[in-house]
Amino acid sequence: DTGVSQNPRHKITKRGQNVTFRCDPISEHNRLYWYRQTLGQGPEFLTYFQNEAQLEKSRLLSDRFSAERPKGSFSTLEIQRTEQGDSAMYLCASSSGPDTQYFGPGTRLTVL
Amino acid sequence: GESVGLHLPTLSVQEGDNSIINCAYSNSASDYFIWYKQESGKGPQFIIDIRSNMDKRQGQRVTVLLNKTVKHLSLQIAATQPGDSAVYFCAENNYGQNFVFGPGTRLSVLP
Repeated sequence: DTGVSQNPRHKITKRGQNVTFRCDPISEHNRLYWYRQTLGQGPEFLTYFQNEAQLEKSRLLSDRFSAERPKGSFSTLEIQRTEQGDSAMYLCASSSGPDTQYFGPGTRLTVL
Repeated sequence: GESVGLHLPTLSVQEGDNSIINCAYSNSASDYFIWYKQESGKGPQFIIDIRSNMDKRQGQRVTVLLNKTVKHLSLQIAATQPGDSAVYFCAENNYGQNFVFGPGTRLSVLP
């Protein structure tokens, strides 16, 4: 499968714990995006990388959130001191330019 | 915040009929639009796209119409099948960096 992959697919954690998600984009894509999706809503943009550079961050990305893409390939999204309001589906997408973004299956986070 | 997101607009169609899903977008400067299909527990799947210099684009069983005057986008699905049941999102490209998604429409195909 050469699409976007995300791990883990599901994560259940207790409030206050840290969690980290991984995204592997389509191999030739230099752009990588993180979105968050809550039940009944469309995805909301969080942050964007072009190669290893993080070029844009949404105001939704609080100080507890950090994303990296150290070698311009896979990316990680870490949430520190999780809160119940962080429960959502975290989606990763990649593209080869400013056009079609292809999404992964998402990581569903549940904070108890 | 409002809870409108918990009450997705729903469209129910008979199998074999045509479906039309509508979307109003927000930014008159948006120049690229995509329709995505999302099945339960999965990420959004690309269906069809259109640029602002076009009014219509056709794919396999799907057609997208763009009316820039009223900032309206529609997705037409011909001969709707059970496998078309999903939530459909329109997304507008925000200066090439990220997409802004609409609230979504749930399509239910009745046997």
